Amino acid sequence: GDSVTQMEGPVTLSEEAFLTINCTYTATGYPSLFWYVQYPGEGLQLLLKATKADDKGSNKGFEATYRKETTSFHLEKGSVQVSDSAVYFCALSDPVYKLSFGAGTTVTVRA
Amino acid sequence: DSGVTQTPKHLITATGQRVTLRCSPRSGDLSVYWYQQSLDQGLQFLIQYYNGEERAKGNILERFSAQQFPDLHSELNLSSLELGDSALYFCASSGKASGVGEQYFGPGTRLTVT
Repeated sequence: GDSVTQMEGPVTLSEEAFLTINCTYTATGYPSLFWYVQYPGEGLQLLLKATKADDKGSNKGFEATYRKETTSFHLEKGSVQVSDSAVYFCALSDPVYKLSFGAGTTVTVRA
Repeated sequence: DSGVTQTPKHLITATGQRVTLRCSPRSGDLSVYWYQQSLDQGLQFLIQYYNGEERAKGNILERFSAQQFPDLHSELNLSSLELGDSALYFCASSGKASGVGEQYFGPGTRLTVT
């Protein structure tokens, strides 16, 4: 079945550092790919998405490119802020549009 | 604010009991999804409803059931509760039953079974 593997955390960074969270997927067909973010005590929020190969999703300085050849959707941000501290989930949607999530990566940014 | 509401926010109950979690989707969204988030299992899809009909089932236990009502709100019923059912339960809604659909998540209901 469909599955998502993302790098384990926790990840601790200093402000203005570069962030990369690796995500790879296994799926039949051509899923859509998402990054969701969960701030402490809150529900998940969609951060960005890509619906086909070579699409780049971007939002709030975060970017991820749908790479079909490497089945990857790595999340990057060039300069993180303390407010980016959260849990990040990579996800894919199947033809019924339910989401399969990775395990989540906890990111802590220190001032 | 995603526009998805869930009640209650917290629920503490004993083993063997039954509880009902409620979700109101965003205005106009016809699809409702239920997810369970626990430390050992991560985020798991439970079930999807579209306009009152069940569309997809995931890792939902037989002790759990759900329904979506004509006003589109949904309820997740958990019965014969066990300690392992303690988790965060999220509801999400979407405007599309098929095609690429972004899902909007509610704040969750934290269930503690003692």
